[in-house]
This record gives sequence, C-alpha cells and structure tokens, in this order.
Amino acid sequence: DTGVSQDPRHKITKRGQNVTFRCDPISEHNRLYWYRQTLGQGPEFLTYFQNEAQLEKSRLLSDRFSAERPKGSFSTLEIQRTEQGDSAMYLCATQGAGEKLFFGSGTQLSVL
Amino acid sequence: GNSVTQMEGPVTLSEEAFLTINCTYTATGYPSLFWYVQYPGEGLQLLLKATKADDKGSNKGFEATYRKETTSFHLEKGSVQVSDSAVYFCALRTVDSSYKLIFGSGTRLLVRP
Repeated sequence: DTGVSQDPRHKITKRGQNVTFRCDPISEHNRLYWYRQTLGQGPEFLTYFQNEAQLEKSRLLSDRFSAERPKGSFSTLEIQRTEQGDSAMYLCATQGAGEKLFFGSGTQLSVL
Repeated sequence: GNSVTQMEGPVTLSEEAFLTINCTYTATGYPSLFWYVQYPGEGLQLLLKATKADDKGSNKGFEATYRKETTSFHLEKGSVQVSDSAVYFCALRTVDSSYKLIFGSGTRLLVRP
C-alpha cells in the first residue's frame, strides 16, 4: 500500500454514461498526477495539479474529461459521454517534497 | 519531444539467468531516468533511478546506468528469481516545471523455476 487511494477499483459502464473517479493522495503531497494506461502500454500523462491549481493538461484529455482538486486535497476525474476507447486503467500518483512518485492501484474502466 | 523506447517482451528466462532489458530515450535537456515495476495485481512501484549522466541506480539486485552518449538506461540483474516476474517500465522525468513522467511501453518478464 503506497498510501494513495483510488476509488472505485473497477467501473463498468455503458457507452454514453458519465463516470467519476476519486483519488485520495498522501496528505502532505502537493503534486497530483493522473495517468491512463491501456493494455500492453505504459502509463500516459493526462494532467497534473500543484495543490488546487491544474497546471497542465495533455492533448489526450479531450473536452469530455475534467479533473478537479478542491482545496488541494483529494482529486476527481470525470469522463462525460463515455466511449469504448475510454476503456483503460486510470492511475493517480502523488509527489511530496522528494522526487519519488507514489502510485495508487488505479481504477479499471470498462465501457460496454 | 520526449519519448522512451523499450525492448518488446515477453522476456522468458530460467531462474538464475542474467537479465537485460534495453531502454533508450529521447529528451530535451538532461532528464532523470527511472525504472518502475508492476507486479501482478499491484500498482506501479519505483525500482531505481538515476538523476545525471554516469549515475548508476540499484535496488534489489537490479542495476541501470545513465548513459548520455548512447541515451540509454538498460536494466540488468545478474541472477533473476521467479519472484522477479513482473512488467518493467522505463521512464524519464521531464525537465520542465511539471516533472511529469514519460513511460515506455513496458517489458513483461517471466522467470521459470
């Protein structure tokens, strides 16, 4: 257990539905990252927060994706109007004062 | 741009065999380099890192040396164990303010008894 919690672990949804994932970071970590990992590939960067500010978004993050980190604590990633191509593992990672990144176990999304 | 290329797997070895997993990178500036490991059913874990040229990262018998001249960071272990079976990811950390990680596609290692 790295101390980074993600919920839910698994999510099955129908195409067109909205889904929301949550990440609870290690409490003193001010940087929070979202990555997406598809089968047989490495994680791909989606977005990151420094405290509550979202400072960078990847081109992978279409308009259907939105992320928040109110008060610089937990973060949510919402996908609207899901598509089958959104099926993937969504990973959260946090970083404190040191270089080390701590990853959560991820949320596995399946869009039917 | 920044990118990481790893050798494709799966790599299948017998216990106590020598392991090499190749990794090369393209980057702006001089990034830090990492190897992460993902055991079955678990999340990504940092295995080792190197922050500048000629640095050697090591952990759990694994080693990798940051080679600027060949832009490589190959992972090696002298004698693998069944418990080393996992997926290994090479990554670089960008030198811009985001410090985000750019990962390779991963190499699955299977170690047979």
